[in-house]
Amino acid sequence: EDQVTQSPEALRLQEGESSSLNCSYTVSGLRGLFWYRQDPGKGPEFLFTLYSAGEEKEKERLKATLTKKESFLHITAPKPEDSATYLCAVQAGGNEKLTFGTGTRLTIIP
Amino acid sequence: DTAVSQTPKYLVTQMGNDKSIKCEQNLGHDTMYWYKQDSKKFLKIMFSYNNKELIINETVPNRFSPKSPDKAHLNLHINSLELGDSAVYFCASSQAIMRPQHFGDGTRLSIL
Repeated sequence: EDQVTQSPEALRLQEGESSSLNCSYTVSGLRGLFWYRQDPGKGPEFLFTLYSAGEEKEKERLKATLTKKESFLHITAPKPEDSATYLCAVQAGGNEKLTFGTGTRLTIIP
Repeated sequence: DTAVSQTPKYLVTQMGNDKSIKCEQNLGHDTMYWYKQDSKKFLKIMFSYNNKELIINETVPNRFSPKSPDKAHLNLHINSLELGDSAVYFCASSQAIMRPQHFGDGTRLSIL
């Protein structure tokens, strides 16, 4: 069964303090790894898809990377508006379903 | 212009009742999904439909029945509601496998 583990569970950073979120996965035949952002009371908002080890994607202060066992979401010089829960999900085999991790709750303190 | 919309946003009801949640997407996607997010924020797939055909059914009690009248709509009907059904239910859609899924803002179901 596909498994996704995210760490840390919660992270508090000062504004401008860079850090990384981790997503470790165990799947049979990774088709894609997805990062989402979820704000309170809202649905997950798509950020990135990574398909193969070594791939990197960037968007504003966020950069996602992928290895054969894990993905990192690097956040550079974060701002308070980056506060949210960040979810990682995998799609594997011939299955269309996403298997999600439990998320990292990120708080950026002004 | 909302891409994936769900109604109602909040649903409070008594144990044993039957209720429905509606979902519509205007993205032209072929595949739609229902997810359940529990109190610990864990998001888990329930069902998936592709062009009105059920393709994923993840060990969900028979009390839950999805219905897709057309590929832009996927409704969720729940019979005999139980306390454990309290959760946030999210609808999502995607263009194809391996493409991003786009989510609605959820329906918060509370069972009294």
